[in-house]
Amino acid sequence: AQSVTQPDIHITVSEGASLELRCNYSYGATPYLFWYVQSPGQGLQLLLKYFSGDTLVQGIKGFEAEFKRSQSSFNLRKPSVHWSDAAEYFCAGRDYGGSQGNLIFGKGTKLSVKP
Amino acid sequence: SQTIHQWPATLVQPVGSPLSLECTVEGTSNPNLYWYRQAAGRGLQLLFYSVGIGQISSEVPQNLSASRPQDRQFILSSKKLLLSDSGFYLCAWSGSSGYNEQFFGPGTRLTVL
Repeated sequence: AQSVTQPDIHITVSEGASLELRCNYSYGATPYLFWYVQSPGQGLQLLLKYFSGDTLVQGIKGFEAEFKRSQSSFNLRKPSVHWSDAAEYFCAGRDYGGSQGNLIFGKGTKLSVKP
Repeated sequence: SQTIHQWPATLVQPVGSPLSLECTVEGTSNPNLYWYRQAAGRGLQLLFYSVGIGQISSEVPQNLSASRPQDRQFILSSKKLLLSDSGFYLCAWSGSSGYNEQFFGPGTRLTVL
């Protein structure tokens, strides 16, 4: 079965430090992959998406992600974290086994930022 | 531009009472619509999705139901709430091609006492 896995439940980084959040997927076909961010009590906001082409994709708020087929990964990165980046981050991929448009979400990684 | 609304934002209901949560989308037509539940400390659980008026697919058998009376309106209902229905309910929409990202509403926090 298809799956999206975020191995880290909670990560703490210092403000100004670099960030990498891990995401692994299991798909047979070329996946459509997404990263979303959720602040407490809010809905999810799309950070970036990968459909095809350049494997390094740029998103909003200074985030980027790199699709690596050999590692089945789509890790999210930011060179310098700001306190406002503290939130929960979800990786998602298109559900090829379900109806059109359905996504499979990872369980999320909560990011805390130390001053 | 497209916007998605959910109401109410917060709801506290007694066990056994009915439920109606509403989601509307503006600025697009014939969207796919989705209801998710997010329980405390857990990820997103897809409850229902709809590809058109009156077309509802259920992902998880449970105490809830969904309806789509209009193209851009999606309603989540229950006749009798259970304690386990507490959670954060999110509505989302995507383009109808099936190859698009989903856009989420602000959510409804439901507490069943």
